[in-house]
Amino acid sequence: DSGVTQTPKHLITATGQRVTLRCSPRSGDLSVYWYQQSLDQGLQFLIQYYNGEERAKGNILERFSAQQFPDLHSELNLSSLELGDSALYFCASSATYAPGTGSLNTEAFFGQGTRLTVV
Amino acid sequence: EDKVVQSPLSLVVHEGDTVTLNCSYEVTNFRSLLWYKQEKKAPTFLFMLTSSGIEKKSGRLSSILDKKELFSILNITATQTGDSAVYLCAVAVNTGTASKLTFGTGTRLQVTL
Repeated sequence: DSGVTQTPKHLITATGQRVTLRCSPRSGDLSVYWYQQSLDQGLQFLIQYYNGEERAKGNILERFSAQQFPDLHSELNLSSLELGDSALYFCASSATYAPGTGSLNTEAFFGQGTRLTVV
Repeated sequence: EDKVVQSPLSLVVHEGDTVTLNCSYEVTNFRSLLWYKQEKKAPTFLFMLTSSGIEKKSGRLSSILDKKELFSILNITATQTGDSAVYLCAVAVNTGTASKLTFGTGTRLQVTL
C-alpha cells in the first residue's frame, strides 16, 4: 500500500457527462501529480500541484481541470466526456520540495488508479 | 518537448534468464531518472538515479545511469515469474518552480517457466 488513496476505483459514465476523481496523498506529501494511462499507452502527465498551487502542466485538455485543497487532497474534474477519455487515471504524491534550494525529492508514490469508462 | 524512450517494447524470457531494459531520454533540466514496476495497477517505485556511474541495487535488480549518453539500464538477474510486469522509466525535470515526471511507454516483460 503506497499510502495514496484514489476514489472511486471504477467509474462508468455516458458521453457528455462530467466526473470528479479524488486523490488523497500520503501523509505529509505536498505534491500531487495526475496522470492518464490509456490502453497500451504510457503514463501521460496531466498536471501537478504543490501545496495548493498549480506548478506544472502537461497534456491536459481544456475540458479537464484540477485543484488541490488546503487539506492537500486533490480533485481532477473531467467534463464533456468523450469515448476517448476512457482510461486509467493515476494520482501520485511526493514529499519534499524546497523551491529555490535545489532540494528536491521526486520519488513519487502512486495510488491504485481510477478506471474511467465512457460509454 | 521532453522525451523518454524505452526499449525493447516487450520481451519474453525463461525463468532464470538475465534481462536488460533500456531507457534513453532527451529532456531539458534533468533532475533524476526513476524506474517503476507496474503489475496490475499502480506503478511501484524501484530506483531513483541522480548521479552517473553509481549502480543502485536491490536484490536481483540493479540500475545505472549515464548522464553523458543520456540513458539508463535496468538489469534483472535470475528472473522469476513474479518479475513479469511493465517496467516504466521516468525522468524528473525542473520546470522553473516545479518538477514533473515524464514517463516512457514501458517495457513489458514476461517470464515463463
